[in-house]
This record gives sequence, structure tokens and C-alpha cells, in this order.
Amino acid sequence: QVQLVQSGAEVKKPGASMKVSCKASGDIFSSSDIHWVRQAAGQGPEWMGWVNSVSGNTGPAQRFRNRLTMTWNSSIDTAYLDLYGLRSDDTAVYYCVTSQFQQWGQGTLVTVSS
Amino acid sequence: DIQMTQSPSSLSASVGDRVSITCRTSQTISKFLNWYQQKPGQAPKVLIYGASTLQSGVPSRFSGSGSGTDFTLTISSLQPGDSATYYCQQTYTTPYTFGQGTKLEIK
Repeated sequence: QVQLVQSGAEVKKPGASMKVSCKASGDIFSSSDIHWVRQAAGQGPEWMGWVNSVSGNTGPAQRFRNRLTMTWNSSIDTAYLDLYGLRSDDTAVYYCVTSQFQQWGQGTLVTVSS
Repeated sequence: DIQMTQSPSSLSASVGDRVSITCRTSQTISKFLNWYQQKPGQAPKVLIYGASTLQSGVPSRFSGSGSGTDFTLTISSLQPGDSATYYCQQTYTTPYTFGQGTKLEIK
């Protein structure tokens, strides 16, 4: 099994950028894709994209394509989510998730507020 | 994008009841459907994958059925700890969309 531990909560101003990290441990090679999912308060989850831990290839959702970067640092088995041009509706809990959606990180609350 | 429609949006049932939640997709997805349970302050937890395969460690009172565009999550005998919000998700094609959720309350 893979365990995922995420970075802590952040508060950002509109227009700023955010970076969330996700440290993977355990049987990492059984789950080569890491997905990013976010969830605003009272809403259903929203899939944002995936990053492959072997190739570094990514597949962002079309609606985020212009302001989202997902990377994988193989030396420390950590995935990163960078989101730019933050707006108030980007306020959400951000999760990293293993390839079959079986293991989820604990979530990172990002609040965008002036 | 594939649209996911869950029903009902909320329901209230008693311990021991059999409850069902349905999920309809806007296009066929074969059996590429997951069901999740989410409790307040927690990440979603997968219950069912591949429309009908029970995730390891999940009680057998949970079951899933369906294929194509119509799917059902059934809890055969409701327990107090089943109070939660339940979501479906298609993993047939990106973006992997989720339903809007069904909030289950125990009377």
C-alpha cells in the first residue's frame, strides 16, 4: 500500500499562486499515477489531473490547463500541485490520490481571500 | 465531459433498513464506476470499484451493481456508522467526474 502525506494549510490572496506537496511512501511502484482532486465546502469532489511518477507525464483537466502544473520529484517521492492566478472559488481542500483512487492524502485546505 | 446524476440528493433511514442510491451517467462508461463514502472532515473512502467489486476491508453489506449508464449502491442493513455522504465517480475517461453526492442520515 501507498501512504500519502500532504503539506499544511495555506491562505493566499487573489491572483497569487499555491503549491501543495504530497509525499508518498510504501509500495510506490504499485501506483505510478498520482491524481489531484479538490473539494470546495459542501460540494462534490472535482478531479484536476494526474502526474505519472515514472515518466513525469501529466494530464491536466482542460478547465485548469492554463494555470495548473503537476510535477513529481523522484529523488524524494513527492508530487507537487501548482495552481496560478488564484480566485476565491479556488478555495477548497486539495487531495492527492493514488492511481486507482484507493488511497487519499489527508487533504490540504487552501483559502483564497483578500 | 461525462455528467453524473445521483439520486436522491438526501435520504433518511433507520438502522437495519435496506437503502439504495442510484447514479446515472450522460454516456456509457461500461463498468468504470467507483462509489465513495465521505464523513465530515475526512477524505472520501472508496467502497466499490469497477461498479461491483468490494474494496478490501469494506463490510459486505455494501454492494454495487450496474453497467453502461445506470448504477446502484445498496446498503443491505443500515448501521449507525453509515451516516455519511456517498459519491459516485466515473473513471472511463478524463476528466474523471463525480456525482453531486447523496447525504444519508440515520433516523
